[in-house]
Amino acid sequence: AQSVSQHNHHVILSEAASLELGCNYSYGGTVNLFWYVQYPGQHLQLLLKYFSGDPLVKGIKGFEAEFIKSKFSFNLRKPSVQWSDTAEYFCAGLGGSTLGRLYFGRGTQLTVWP
Amino acid sequence: DAGVIQSPRHEVTEMGQEVTLRCKPISGHDYLFWYRQTMMRGLELLIYFNNNVPIDDSGMPEDRFSAKMPNASFSTLKIQPSEPRDSAVYFCASSSTPGTPRSAQYFGPGTRLLVL
Repeated sequence: AQSVSQHNHHVILSEAASLELGCNYSYGGTVNLFWYVQYPGQHLQLLLKYFSGDPLVKGIKGFEAEFIKSKFSFNLRKPSVQWSDTAEYFCAGLGGSTLGRLYFGRGTQLTVWP
Repeated sequence: DAGVIQSPRHEVTEMGQEVTLRCKPISGHDYLFWYRQTMMRGLELLIYFNNNVPIDDSGMPEDRFSAKMPNASFSTLKIQPSEPRDSAVYFCASSSTPGTPRSAQYFGPGTRLLVL
């Protein structure tokens, strides 16, 4: 079955620390992958997406993600986090046999201490 | 672009009452999704439409939930009768044809529902 998994449930960092959030997907074929961010009390907002081509994708707010097909991974990174990055981060995948539907990971809560 | 519009933003009702949530997708998008988010269950896909036709409603919890999309610019999610366990944030999202570089799901602000 198609699925997307996120390794970390809760990550706590200090400002200026580097961030890497793990994401793995379990289906083959054409894979389109996304990272969304949800700030407290708000809706999900698109951070970045991968469709094809360069496996290193740059998104908004200084985030980037790397698609590694051999590892079925799409990890999110940021070299230096800020207090304002405190939020929940969702990885999602589109593809497999069910066109149109996104499969979301369970989310990773990131807390950044000032 | 106005983005996905949802109404109401907040709804407080009593158990047994009917609740109707509304969504206007982004113009030109042909997919529309309804999600529910709770602390316990996380983000759940309830149903989604393509060109106004329901494609997958397997996430709809039970017969008390129903969704319609009478035209390309409007959808409703109805709960009748409502129960306290329906309390959640309900998100609507829309996208253009998936699998294209410009396509992504864009979420509305959500409706916070509290059933007393």
